[in-house]
Amino acid sequence: GQQLNQSPQSMFIQEGEDVSMNCTSSSIFNTWLWYKQDPGEGPVLLIALYKAGELTSNGRLTAQFGITRKDSFLNISASIPSDVGIYFCAGQLLSGGSNYKLTFGKGTLLTVNP
Amino acid sequence: EAQVTQNPRYLITVTGKKLTVTCSQNMNHEYMSWYRQDPGLGLRQIYYSMNVEVTDKGDVPEGYKVSRKEKRNFPLILESPSPNQTSLYFCASSRKWDSYEQYFGPGTRLTVT
Repeated sequence: GQQLNQSPQSMFIQEGEDVSMNCTSSSIFNTWLWYKQDPGEGPVLLIALYKAGELTSNGRLTAQFGITRKDSFLNISASIPSDVGIYFCAGQLLSGGSNYKLTFGKGTLLTVNP
Repeated sequence: EAQVTQNPRYLITVTGKKLTVTCSQNMNHEYMSWYRQDPGLGLRQIYYSMNVEVTDKGDVPEGYKVSRKEKRNFPLILESPSPNQTSLYFCASSRKWDSYEQYFGPGTRLTVT
């Protein structure tokens, strides 16, 4: 199946620092989503992007849908300890047929040192 | 409260003993899906359902079955579990098949010995 390359795999930062992570693909996506998974929980949707070039914010989080439709990034500003978790990107391919599913990146593990 | 529920949350079983993991959503969502999460592999889709009586394979369907007889329920069936099916399983739902904002359940941690 299609793959999303998500980087970095893990990050260890100090509280108050800004964070940036991204996803890239060789295929064109028509939707990008960013999820966060807390330990022992299911992923929770943070931001959804539907148009190339779209820049969307949710509190301290900002995400962008790349112009080429092949990438997306997520920024977290002024990190706090509760930002700890695994962040996943997910995308829906721009293709015909019955491809009614999301493809997920492998996640970025974020650790915030108080 | 709008939610996706899964049961059981934890299960330890032996090879070959049939099991079912239930999933239920109370949001009247049409689309439901099962994923497995493994270290280093992220989330991989097992099966999905676009509506009642409509199911299709995801990326890793081997060894699993599903059914969608009612809109709210989407059980995952392992007819003959094997150790390589030891994993963390998530059920998810969304309003329609083309509404990509999926809502996830809390997960079921399965160990097959």
